[in-house]
Amino acid sequence: GAVVSQHPSRVICKSGTSVKIECRSLDFQATTMFWYRQFPKQSLMLMATSNEGSKATYEQGVEKDKFLINHASLTLSTLTVTSAHPEDSSFYICSASGQGIWEQYFGPGTRLTVT
Amino acid sequence: GDSVTQMEGPVTLSEEAFLTINCTYTATGYPSLFWYVQYPGEGLQLLLKATKADDKGSNKGFEATYRKETTSFHLEKGSVQVSDSAVYFCALYSGGGADGLTFGKGTHLIIQP
Repeated sequence: GAVVSQHPSRVICKSGTSVKIECRSLDFQATTMFWYRQFPKQSLMLMATSNEGSKATYEQGVEKDKFLINHASLTLSTLTVTSAHPEDSSFYICSASGQGIWEQYFGPGTRLTVT
Repeated sequence: GDSVTQMEGPVTLSEEAFLTINCTYTATGYPSLFWYVQYPGEGLQLLLKATKADDKGSNKGFEATYRKETTSFHLEKGSVQVSDSAVYFCALYSGGGADGLTFGKGTHLIIQP
């Protein structure tokens, strides 16, 4: 089946710094990538949707200047958490779907801890 | 807006027990429904799906039936194994284009030998 990877799997950063998380589709062209955030004991919340070569569409309440998303190629999307704060600590998961395919394939997630 | 409600866990069962994890939804139109599973340390995997009313999705001994009249998609398995221990997420998709899924909070299932 389709494989999606994320890097890093875990990251610890200091408050005020920026962190970049990569999401790659390894064996298919991902025309659309999604970024989710999962709080402890809660469901995944969709943060934004990105289509290759265009600006991401953010969900209501998600700060686009804080969570920068780039989808520059058909196999790579990045999420940059700018000026991170402890409340940004969370589990971030990406997923990807291909042209004309609505089924999403999920990455393993990235655990971000901001100290 | 769309929402998914599933029973909260953890749910602890003995091996070979019968499993039911309830899931109900609220959505406009006719969504597609999914169950995803997250094993420890791994990403989400699609377990099964149903795209229209009365469809039954099944995989690895698990099954769920799309019940429009009760807006439900309960997950069942007749005899669980220790290896089924994981977190299970019910989700729906109602978008016409490249929209994200709406997830329930997840149910942690623990199977004891």
